[in-house]
Amino acid sequence: SAVISQKPSRDICQRGTSLTIQCQVDSQVTMMFWYRQQPGQSLTLIATANQGSEATYESGFVIDKFPISRPNLTFSTLTVSNMSPEDSSIYLCSVVFLGQYYGYTFGSGTRLTVV
Amino acid sequence: QQQVKQSPQSLIVQKGGIPIINCAYENTAFDYFPWYQQFPGKGPALLIAIRPDVSEKKEGRFTISFNKSAKQFSLHIMDSQPGDSATYFCAASQETSGSRLTFGEGTQLTVNP
Repeated sequence: SAVISQKPSRDICQRGTSLTIQCQVDSQVTMMFWYRQQPGQSLTLIATANQGSEATYESGFVIDKFPISRPNLTFSTLTVSNMSPEDSSIYLCSVVFLGQYYGYTFGSGTRLTVV
Repeated sequence: QQQVKQSPQSLIVQKGGIPIINCAYENTAFDYFPWYQQFPGKGPALLIAIRPDVSEKKEGRFTISFNKSAKQFSLHIMDSQPGDSATYFCAASQETSGSRLTFGEGTQLTVNP
């Protein structure tokens, strides 16, 4: 399994500002995902981060609000733009290994509070 | 909409008890069924996973039972300990397409000493 480093681990941000979350993986992975976990809730997929092309967003999530970059096979960023208190959540990066060692690994998450 | 239904929402057992968490899925194309354990302030950690070609899988004190015809699977924790107190999520995906995980709603487990 991969080791995922996610930064920052937590932040408190002002309404209307933006925060960029970084996800660094210790090995090359084909697929990276960004999830949101609202307080006391399950995980909801925001988007699949595609290397070298635009991210694929799930229903209810748009690029203007959650722009994603994936410049290479080990790194991705998620930006939460023009934040409101409703964006207060844990944001998680995840990767999947295909083939013999198929499985999903998650980062420790970024706990975001918008005030 | 691909869905995975999980129950119960919360569960309290005494130390040594055997909590059982159940999940049901709709999409018959799912072929990978993991369980994740999440402690407060941490990301989900893979506990155990099963594929539909087997009906049961054990890893230590954790067992998955799988019923393909009923489209259901469950997690059993043998000899539960207070350190097992966490939130547990079932999930499902379609390995052949490398698709993302679809999660259940989660079960908050408390194991009392």
